[in-house]
Amino acid sequence: SAVISQKPSRDICQRGTSLTIQCQVDSQVTMMFWYRQQPGQSLTLIATANQGSEATYESGFVIDKFPISRPNLTFSTLTVSNMSPEDSSIYLCSTKLAGGEFNEQFFGPGTRLTVL
Amino acid sequence: DQQVKQNSPSLSVQEGRISILNCDYTNSMFDYFLWYKKYPAEGPTFLISISSIKDKNEDGRFTVFLNKSAKHLSLHIVPSQPGDSAVYFCAARKSGGSNYKLTFGKGTLLTVNP
Repeated sequence: SAVISQKPSRDICQRGTSLTIQCQVDSQVTMMFWYRQQPGQSLTLIATANQGSEATYESGFVIDKFPISRPNLTFSTLTVSNMSPEDSSIYLCSTKLAGGEFNEQFFGPGTRLTVL
Repeated sequence: DQQVKQNSPSLSVQEGRISILNCDYTNSMFDYFLWYKKYPAEGPTFLISISSIKDKNEDGRFTVFLNKSAKHLSLHIVPSQPGDSAVYFCAARKSGGSNYKLTFGKGTLLTVNP
C-alpha cells in the first residue's frame, strides 16, 4: 500500500481567493489522481496527474479552475482558483501502485475546504 | 447521471449479525468493482473487489457478490463488528488500456450497534 498525506487538512477561505492543496506519497508513483466530494455526493475524479506530462481533466473540470502540478514522482498540488461557495468540498488525492490486480487506488485523508 | 448508485444512505445492524450493503450500476462497460471503507477524517481505504468474470469474492468476513445481468453487487459483512461502523463506497471501473478512472456511489453509512 501507499501512505499519502495532504496539507492542509482543512481550511476556510474567502470567495475569490485561491487555495493550493499539497499531496505527498511515501513512495515513487507514476499516477496520481485528484478527486472532489461535494456535500452529500460521491467522489468525483477531477484529473489524473502523471509525472512529466500535462494533467488530464475529466469532463466538467478545467485547468484554469483547477491547475495541477506534478514536479516529481512523490508529490502533486491541486489549486482551487477563484473560489466560490460551490467549491466547498473535500478534496482527495490518490495513487495507484504498479501491479495492483484491480488497480485499487490508495487515498489521502482529504482536505476539507469551506468557502465563505 | 449517477452511473453507480447506492440507494440506502444508511444501515444499522446489531453486532454479530450480517450487514448487507447494496450497489447498482447502469454502465454495462464497467468490468471491475471495488468497495472502499471510510472513517471520519480519513481517506477511503480499499476493502475488496471483484471482476465481472466472477460472481463472488471472499476475504475473511467480507464477501462481495456480483449479479451482472441485474447490474447489481452487494457487500456482505459477517459477523458485523462495531469497528465496521463507517461509510462504505461502491466504485466501478471500465476495463482496458490506461483507464483507471473510478466511478463512485454516494456511500452508505453503516452503524453496527454493540
